[in-house]
Amino acid sequence: DTGVSQNPRHKITKRGQNVTFRCDPISEHNRLYWYRQTLGQGPEFLTYFQNEAQLEKSRLLSDRFSAERPKGSFSTLEIQRTEQGDSAMYLCASSLEGLNNEQFFGPGTRLTVL
Amino acid sequence: AQSVAQPEDQVNVAEGNPLTVKCTYSVSGNPYLFWYVQYPNRGLQFLLKYITGDNLVKGSYGFEAEFNKSQTSFHLKKPSALVSDSALYFCAVRDFLGNNRLAFGKGNQVVVIP
Repeated sequence: DTGVSQNPRHKITKRGQNVTFRCDPISEHNRLYWYRQTLGQGPEFLTYFQNEAQLEKSRLLSDRFSAERPKGSFSTLEIQRTEQGDSAMYLCASSLEGLNNEQFFGPGTRLTVL
Repeated sequence: AQSVAQPEDQVNVAEGNPLTVKCTYSVSGNPYLFWYVQYPNRGLQFLLKYITGDNLVKGSYGFEAEFNKSQTSFHLKKPSALVSDSALYFCAVRDFLGNNRLAFGKGNQVVVIP
């Protein structure tokens, strides 16, 4: 399967714990995006990388959230001191460079904060 | 900031009948428009996009969409719906000014009745 992959698919944690998600993009894609989707809503943009550089961050990305893409390939999204409001589906997408290129999405990581 | 409105929460259609899912957008300058479909427990799948050129865009699985600049709309259509088309459909827009984020609507649940 050469699509976007995300791990884990599901994560249940207690409030206050830290969690980390991983995204492996399509290999030739140099752009990688993180979105968050809550029930009944469309995905909301969190952040975006071009190669290893994080070029854009949403105001939704509080200081408890950090994303990295150290070698320009896979990316990690860490949430520190999780809150119940962080419960959501976290989606990763990748694309080729260029505004007219569509983004390809992974299956998502569903986070439940108890 | 760019935004998308999908006014209907759910669209019910009989199998074999035409399917229309509505989308209107707001963006600075010329838009890049996309439709995605989401099946349960799966990521978003790209259906089609409008970048420039012909206002009628054809995509995957027999879907098409019509770009209407004066009405700022990009409605998704399928001439004959299948039961397997039952899913959640999202319209998304990216603006021309270089903003790489996609802004999604809240989605429309399509139910095709056998």
